[in-house]
Amino acid sequence: DAKTTQPPSMDCAEGRAANLPCNHSTISGNEYVYWYRQIHSQGPQYIIHGLKNNETNEMASLIITEDRKSSTLILPHATLRDTAVYYCIVSYGKLTFGQGTILTVHP
Amino acid sequence: DVKVTQSSRYLVKRTGEKVFLECVQDMDHENMFWYRQDPGLGLRLIYFSYDVKMKEKGDIPEGYSVSREKKERFSLILESASTNQTSMYLCATLVVEYGTENTEAFFGQGTRLTVV
Repeated sequence: DAKTTQPPSMDCAEGRAANLPCNHSTISGNEYVYWYRQIHSQGPQYIIHGLKNNETNEMASLIITEDRKSSTLILPHATLRDTAVYYCIVSYGKLTFGQGTILTVHP
Repeated sequence: DVKVTQSSRYLVKRTGEKVFLECVQDMDHENMFWYRQDPGLGLRLIYFSYDVKMKEKGDIPEGYSVSREKKERFSLILESASTNQTSMYLCATLVVEYGTENTEAFFGQGTRLTVV
């Protein structure tokens, strides 16, 4: 699985957009980009995934660069409940988690 | 909704004991995984299984084994528990939609194992 690089922590004000970056320069053609988050004391939760097109669902948007070497998860209106560790994973069939980004949403 | 159930939320075992962590899923998924999570190290893959009686080593298999006799159940076994195996253990299933290659993982709530 391709390795990913994420900033260790980020802050965001409540109600503002949270933009979480991820670098995955060694991604191969059949690997998808997945985002999961883990709220304290719970198992990770799926957020969104994509291959090469931008994706949007009820939770977030995923922007993947044209060369697929990086992506950004966007939470359009962050709330306090979005405080969590966010994992960017690049994979085909097996999920290998990195360190993730600790996102803190403050009032 | 997919349900992934781990048999215990909290477990305390003694050094040298044989420990079984059980994971059961109700959605007929082929792929199942065991991870451990430690502060500062994130989630690390121990073992995974693509089908009944099949198993593959993950990144940190040493000191662990697994059993998959039935599709819905994936067991993690600590043959002789040691204090460095004190951790949060998470089981997951993965559904793969062939054709679209869409995959999504579903996690259990975790078992916090303490080895004393």
